[in-house]
Amino acid sequence: DIVMTQTPLSLSVTPGQPASISCKSSQSLLHSDGGTYLFWYLQKPGQPPQVLIYKVSNQFSGVPDRFSGSGSGTDFTLKISRVEAEDVGVYYCMQSVQLPYTFGQGTKLEIK
Amino acid sequence: QVQLQQWGAGLLKPSETLSLTCAVYSGSFSGYYWTWVRQPPGKGLEWIGEINHSGSTNYNPSLKSRVIISLDTSKNQFSLKLISVSAADTAVYYCVRYGGLPVWHFDLWGRGTLVTVSS
Repeated sequence: DIVMTQTPLSLSVTPGQPASISCKSSQSLLHSDGGTYLFWYLQKPGQPPQVLIYKVSNQFSGVPDRFSGSGSGTDFTLKISRVEAEDVGVYYCMQSVQLPYTFGQGTKLEIK
Repeated sequence: QVQLQQWGAGLLKPSETLSLTCAVYSGSFSGYYWTWVRQPPGKGLEWIGEINHSGSTNYNPSLKSRVIISLDTSKNQFSLKLISVSAADTAVYYCVRYGGLPVWHFDLWGRGTLVTVSS
């Protein structure tokens, strides 16, 4: 299985300040089709996860521009340029290059 | 608007069989993989397995010996059975649609069912 490791496991951020989450995979997430299948999901309190970013750096429709993803191979980052109160929750990276699909442990974002 | 509605027993004793069903309302059953994901209380997400409209399945190797995912296309429903449960199987179980554009992803989630295993 591909192990996904996130750091930090928790963040406390003042509104308007940036935040960054790292995700490292135990194997390259580069598929033979040339795509890198790394996703970011946000699970808000009491809700199922919702997708934010696909294939490392692409925002899904409706996701605010303050969310961005970057990285390649085995190292990836999710950045929030200016944290807002509605961003609280747990962020998960996930790989779908290989079965079984696996998630990181999650990073809990709180507002100061 | 497509919705997933799930149901099943929420309290089991060790060694019993977990059984959950998920119905797909107002949407096509074909062209997707129908998936189960679980989340132990306060912990992260674990992919359990998936099935497509023709019945082809994939399972997480860590659970493969105990899991059966099946479907009933006439009812637009798919189901999860997990045999011989233990306390370690206590979790919120989500049914999830895997598909969508521009790249396949977990795009539609059920509300989740908390299954507690306790003697």
